Amino acid sequence: QQPVQSPQAVILREGEDAVINCSSSKALYSVHWYRQKHGEAPVFLMILLKGGEQKGHEKISASFNEKKQQSSLYLTASQLSYSGTYFCGTERNYGGATNKLIFGTGTLLAVQP
Amino acid sequence: DAGVIQSPRHEVTEMGQEVTLRCKPISGHDYLFWYRQTMMRGLELLIYFNNNVPIDDSGMPEDRFSAKMPNASFSTLKIQPSEPRDSAVYFCASSRASNTEAFFGQGTRLTVV
Repeated sequence: QQPVQSPQAVILREGEDAVINCSSSKALYSVHWYRQKHGEAPVFLMILLKGGEQKGHEKISASFNEKKQQSSLYLTASQLSYSGTYFCGTERNYGGATNKLIFGTGTLLAVQP
Repeated sequence: DAGVIQSPRHEVTEMGQEVTLRCKPISGHDYLFWYRQTMMRGLELLIYFNNNVPIDDSGMPEDRFSAKMPNASFSTLKIQPSEPRDSAVYFCASSRASNTEAFFGQGTRLTVV
């Protein structure tokens, strides 16, 4: 079952912050975040495993609330290079890792000068 | 390493023809994934392999689609016969182990007319 991302699209000015949410109706084992620029392949950002961890990658960080079956991606002081479509990939919790990722609907982020 | 290599980059074919997409994963990676991306359905997992063995093909749309991985360095996705609704970008990705970064190839843009 495909996770739901919100918002669908967001427009920012350079330096502004944004939050992208990813929700699943199923118990999750892990959440993966990817960014895809137009006409290119998705590129890995980070993985969060069950246990409610948080991670950071430059000025991009994420959290995973296992109980709520949600993950959020935080982009602070956005740069032009952050523009693209962000996907969360969720792995359901069957009691262990399956490596079967189901990607969300995507969030289009546009950063303007 | 050159990354995940897919061929061809673009394919235009007539309805009813057989189409074969090819993928060379990163050496040493145990997992290989085939995804399809369209505007309507987003990024869909079609099938994935672990150590050349198909683990989950529940995402394969129908019997017209088949995938093989004869060895650790090569995989094919075949559509026979092709239909216009198969038009999409097909991505191959590989990862070293479970819960690790997946590296995507540049994709094959398939157009069936």
